[in-house]
Amino acid sequence: KAGVTQTPRYLIKTRGQQVTLSCSPISGHRSVSWYQQTPGQGLQFLFEYFSETQRNKGNFPGRFSGRQFSNSRSEMNVSTLELGDSALYLCASSPLFQGEQYFGPGTRLTVT
Amino acid sequence: AQSVTQLGSHVSVSEGALVLLRCNYSSSVPPYLFWYVQYPNQGLQLLLKYTTGATLVKGINGFEAEFKKSETSFHLTKPSAHMSDAAEYFCAVGLSGGYNKLIFGAGTRLAVHP
Repeated sequence: KAGVTQTPRYLIKTRGQQVTLSCSPISGHRSVSWYQQTPGQGLQFLFEYFSETQRNKGNFPGRFSGRQFSNSRSEMNVSTLELGDSALYLCASSPLFQGEQYFGPGTRLTVT
Repeated sequence: AQSVTQLGSHVSVSEGALVLLRCNYSSSVPPYLFWYVQYPNQGLQLLLKYTTGATLVKGINGFEAEFKKSETSFHLTKPSAHMSDAAEYFCAVGLSGGYNKLIFGAGTRLAVHP
């Protein structure tokens, strides 16, 4: 089976712009979670989607949003980018509730 | 609230030596525990997991971890380090209630010297 794929792998944006990141889960996985990884804050949970519904959300401002499509692919959007949004954004998929999560390679976002 | 503490942000061992990476968790309910490894410029790879059952869990690449409820620990070990084990290791606890949300520790960077 193909693994979790994320596009694009690298992205450079300017403060104030918005960005959309995409994630395709492993075939058959219906749960998709997103995480932000920064040197200062480490790995932090953003949100989880299952069957197109957001089931859980982390402690991030409303500028961070996401959605999931009927084929389980997911997107996350960050509006009005700030310098502090520079991070590696990781997507993970899981076939189960409370099961192991399989991570994609991440999208490296740089905000200038 | 659940939390994870990894003791030692950097660990250095010689090739062939024992690897021990420490993880303590806080959870009010039986935890789901995981170890992940991250190589430079890559995502996270699952090493092993504990959900229920046997407390000694074997994972990939010769790693294993033991769940000790009395010590709220889930330390990762490998009998003999290899140069290719150099990476960052993350311990994580799964949120209860049927959600796929992981709370990660701060990570431990493992260096392996010849």
